Amino acid sequence: ETGVTQSPTHLIKTRGQQVTLRCSSQSGHNTVSWYQQALGQGPQFIFQYYREEENGRGNFPPRFSGLQFPNYSSELNVNALELDDSALYLCASSLKSTEYEQYFGPGTRLTVT
Amino acid sequence: DQQVKQNSPSLSVQEGRISILNCDYTNSMFDYFLWYKKYPAEGPTFLISISSIKDKNEDGRFTVFLNKSAKHLSLHIVPSQPGDSAVYFCAASSTTSGTYKYIFGTGTRLKVLA
Repeated sequence: ETGVTQSPTHLIKTRGQQVTLRCSSQSGHNTVSWYQQALGQGPQFIFQYYREEENGRGNFPPRFSGLQFPNYSSELNVNALELDDSALYLCASSLKSTEYEQYFGPGTRLTVT
Repeated sequence: DQQVKQNSPSLSVQEGRISILNCDYTNSMFDYFLWYKKYPAEGPTFLISISSIKDKNEDGRFTVFLNKSAKHLSLHIVPSQPGDSAVYFCAASSTTSGTYKYIFGTGTRLKVLA
């Protein structure tokens, strides 16, 4: 059984650019949640996908968008990057039936300059 | 508006003693709570959870206590081991929305001294 993986590990982008982060869920998991963790803070919920549909969203602007694919892998897209978007981005997968148990990947460290 | 607060940024404990990590919340709609442990360069790892219908849940060396009237939960680690040194996050969710949208605290860095 493979765990949650994320790519890339690190990324540096310039303000105004667009970025795509990727997540492969744990085998058999059909739900994925994305979180943003700024330095010194706890993870903040961005949104959740279940069976390719958005299933809940936190207080993030529309320039944060996502996709979930039939194989349950997922992408987080951020347009018009701002300096404050610099953070660790975490994805967490789960089964809908046991959604409270979320398994996190190691994260992607995004730096916006 | 910080709905989940961990007021102690760090805690040091001697090996073998009890570690107590605290967490307060403000939203009375929260009904499910978890503790996660995070090592550097890794994602958070689920540790233990508790539903609002309980006031205590145990799993080996880890016990979580929930005081709903005080909107307070705590994680007890007994006995503490050097491998427990990590950042601990508490998280809360209201399950009535149909989505487990977790609100995390800012974390407490635990250092267990050998």
